[in-house]
This record gives sequence, structure tokens and C-alpha cells, in this order.
Amino acid sequence: QKEVEQNSGPLSVPEGAIASLNCTYSDRGSQSFFWYRQYSGKSPELIMSIYSNGDQEDGRFTAQLNKASQYVSLLIRDSQPSDSATYLCAVNNYGQNFVFGPGTRLSVLP
Amino acid sequence: GAGVSQSPSNKVTEKGKDVELRCDPISGHTALYWYRQSLGQGLEFLIYFQGNSAPDKSGLPSDRFSAERTGGSVSTLTIQRTQQEDSAVYLCASSYRDRGPRNTFGSGTRLTVV
Repeated sequence: QKEVEQNSGPLSVPEGAIASLNCTYSDRGSQSFFWYRQYSGKSPELIMSIYSNGDQEDGRFTAQLNKASQYVSLLIRDSQPSDSATYLCAVNNYGQNFVFGPGTRLSVLP
Repeated sequence: GAGVSQSPSNKVTEKGKDVELRCDPISGHTALYWYRQSLGQGLEFLIYFQGNSAPDKSGLPSDRFSAERTGGSVSTLTIQRTQQEDSAVYLCASSYRDRGPRNTFGSGTRLTVV
């Protein structure tokens, strides 16, 4: 059974702080890792993808991957109230289906 | 259009009726996924189509659920003899098959079984 786990939250951070979201996965064959943001009542939207160990940065977002520990994280710097959403971690083995975690609800307090 | 299109956006049906949900993927995307999301829950994988390969049906919850993809493009998810527990948002996504498939989601069909 391939599983992706996340803390359900809610994770509350003050505006301007760094939000750290974590995800672990069980399938060692996983090759691609994604973070999606989902606002209430909306569809998920892709915000970050990472394929190799280390960090990948895009603006205020940094994805971190450690395949040995089967761990992927998302850091959001200078958090804004507009970042308040549910963040879904997804894992993919090339050519196979995506497996999503249950999501972490983030609340950025003004 | 440029995005994944799903129809209908909302569907209310009586328990025991059959429903069909439609997904038009982004042109050229070879992979198509169906997920469902119950209120406050994560995404539950249902079925995955990749080109002409046999679909991965491992996520379908019962034999009341089926899906097809005609001509490698449009997909239809059919739920027979609907039950109240089938009420959820059904999301379709499509992507290219490459090293980093980046699926794009449609806006979903909200199914309510009464």
C-alpha cells in the first residue's frame, strides 16, 4: 500500500513568519514530488515540484527532498494571509498514478 | 479551452440512479486521472489512463464505478446505482507523460446523492 502522510493541522503561523509543512511517503520507488495548494471550495493548484535530493526554490516557496528519509517538505517564507489554504503533498512513480496525502491546513494570522 | 473542463459542475441525483461525469483534458495530455474528494478530506485516487495502456483501476471503490476514455481524449466516469456515500467532488486531472508529470485539475463535479 503506497501511502503519503501529512499532519492535518491546522498549522497557525503569524504573518511574516516561515511556515513549514512536512510530508512522508512509503514507496521508495517514488521519483517525483509535488506540493499543491487548495483553497476552500477550489481545485488543487500545483505550486512546487521537486525530483532530486536537496532544495528547490521558487519565490517565497522552497521544497526540500530527502529520499533516504523518504521526506519532503515545503517552506513558505514571509507568510501572508493569502497563503491560508490546505497544502497537499503528492508523490508519483514515473508513469503511474499520483498518490496524495490528506493535506495540511495552514492558517496565517494577520 | 486551455484548461481541463468538467461537466456538469453540479449534479443532484436520487439514490439508486446512474450518473455520468465528463472530463475534457488539455489537448495533447496523454495522462488522465480521476479523483474524488469528500468534504474536508484529501484526494482519493480512482482511476488513471495513460495513452493506450490499460488503465489503472486500482482506486475504484466498487464495481458500481467505471470509466472510459474514448480516442485518448474525453473521459466519462459512470457511477451506477448511486448511494449517499458517493456524494463528493469528483476531480479530473490531465498531464503530459514525462519525467515530471504536472497534472492540471478541472474545477470538479459536485455530486450530491439524495
